[in-house]
Amino acid sequence: GAVVSQHPSWVICKSGTSVKIECRSLDFQATTMFWYRQFPKQSLMLMATSNEGSKATYEQGVEKDKFLINHASLTLSTLTVTSAHPEDSSFYICSANLPPGRPGANVLTFGAGSRLTVL
Amino acid sequence: GENVEQHPSTLSVQEGDSAVIKCTYSDSASNYFPWYKQELGKRPQLIIDIRSNVGEKKDQRIAVTLNKTAKHFSLHITETQPEDSAVYFCAASIRDTGNQFYFGTGTSLTVIP
Repeated sequence: GAVVSQHPSWVICKSGTSVKIECRSLDFQATTMFWYRQFPKQSLMLMATSNEGSKATYEQGVEKDKFLINHASLTLSTLTVTSAHPEDSSFYICSANLPPGRPGANVLTFGAGSRLTVL
Repeated sequence: GENVEQHPSTLSVQEGDSAVIKCTYSDSASNYFPWYKQELGKRPQLIIDIRSNVGEKKDQRIAVTLNKTAKHFSLHITETQPEDSAVYFCAASIRDTGNQFYFGTGTSLTVIP
């Protein structure tokens, strides 16, 4: 089946530094990817929609300058948490839809997630 | 945007009993409703989904019902087993438009052996 790969799976950084998380669609092209944030024992909160070749669409309340999203190719989207602070510590999960025509098209497939801890 | 509410937040059932989780949504344009199961420390996995042109869908012990008029849909798990213990999320989306998926708040299901 379709695979979405996310890296790193766990990252610890110092407050004030920036962290980049990569999301790759391994066997399909994804013009659109989605970034979610999940707090412990809470739901998946949609942060932004990453669009290949254009600017990301951010959900209300999500800081664009804080969470930089780049979707430079059809198989790669990156989320950069800039000037990270302890309150940014969370589980970040990317996802993508399978393209039309493939079995399971439009099913949302998730990456394994990246756990960010900011000291 | 879409607002998806999910109840209950926690649910404990005896092994073999049934479990029901309910969700409501606000956007009448939503036409695709998947359910995801997330085990501790793992990514959410799709377990069943339903489109708005269907009222019910069943896959072995799992079924989903949809009431489009009332804007609510439910997940039914029968003959529950300990391995069904996980967090379940409902979601709503507008299919085929590449639109966003909005998730419910999750239900932590515990099946007691």
